Amino acid sequence: EIVLTQSPATLSLSPGERATLSCRASQSVSNFLAWYQQKPGQAPRLLIYDSSNRATGIPARFSGSGSGTDFTLTISSLEPEDFAVYFCQMRSNWPWTFGQGTKVEIK
Amino acid sequence: QVQLVQSGAEVKKPGASVKVSCKASGYTFSTYDINWVRQAPGQGLEWMGWMNPKSGNTGYAQKFQGRVTMTRNTSTSTAYMELSSLRSEDTAIYYCAKRRSLTEAGWFDPWGQGTLVTVSS
Repeated sequence: EIVLTQSPATLSLSPGERATLSCRASQSVSNFLAWYQQKPGQAPRLLIYDSSNRATGIPARFSGSGSGTDFTLTISSLEPEDFAVYFCQMRSNWPWTFGQGTKVEIK
Repeated sequence: QVQLVQSGAEVKKPGASVKVSCKASGYTFSTYDINWVRQAPGQGLEWMGWMNPKSGNTGYAQKFQGRVTMTRNTSTSTAYMELSSLRSEDTAIYYCAKRRSLTEAGWFDPWGQGTLVTVSS
């Protein structure tokens, strides 16, 4: 099973700042990596798939990059509604797995 | 719009089974796989398996093989996930999620609102 490790566990930032989240895979997943956002009491929402493609309706301030084992989600300028937990997920091998999440909190 | 609406919260005793439903609307139900993902309280996400609504074919994560069954009713556009031999560690929110596109499996968009299953004696 491929393990996805996200860092940091918590990111404390102010609105308007840039957020950089990391996801590292225990072995190569090519570009088969996605990012989800989850707010308290809500289901996850797909942000990015295939490492860098934005899902429908996702603002341009969200971008993804990386391939192989190292991936990054960047939020260029944090809006108040962006404070949430972010999970990465891979689909290169079964079982499809998720990272443990990074919480982006208001500083 | 595409929407998945799940059944309500359940409380079960250890050893029992639970069946969660997921009603789809806003698209042709038979076209896209439905996946199931669970999230234990305060924890991360765990993929359980997928089901093709047209064929009924399924694929389960090894961890759940023998305990999970995913089915569907195409006449009502509803998918079901049944988990048996419940134990306390199965206490979680269970989500259904639609396959994002026909060109690749494994991306989930959108998700249902979740169903809390509590296993307690």
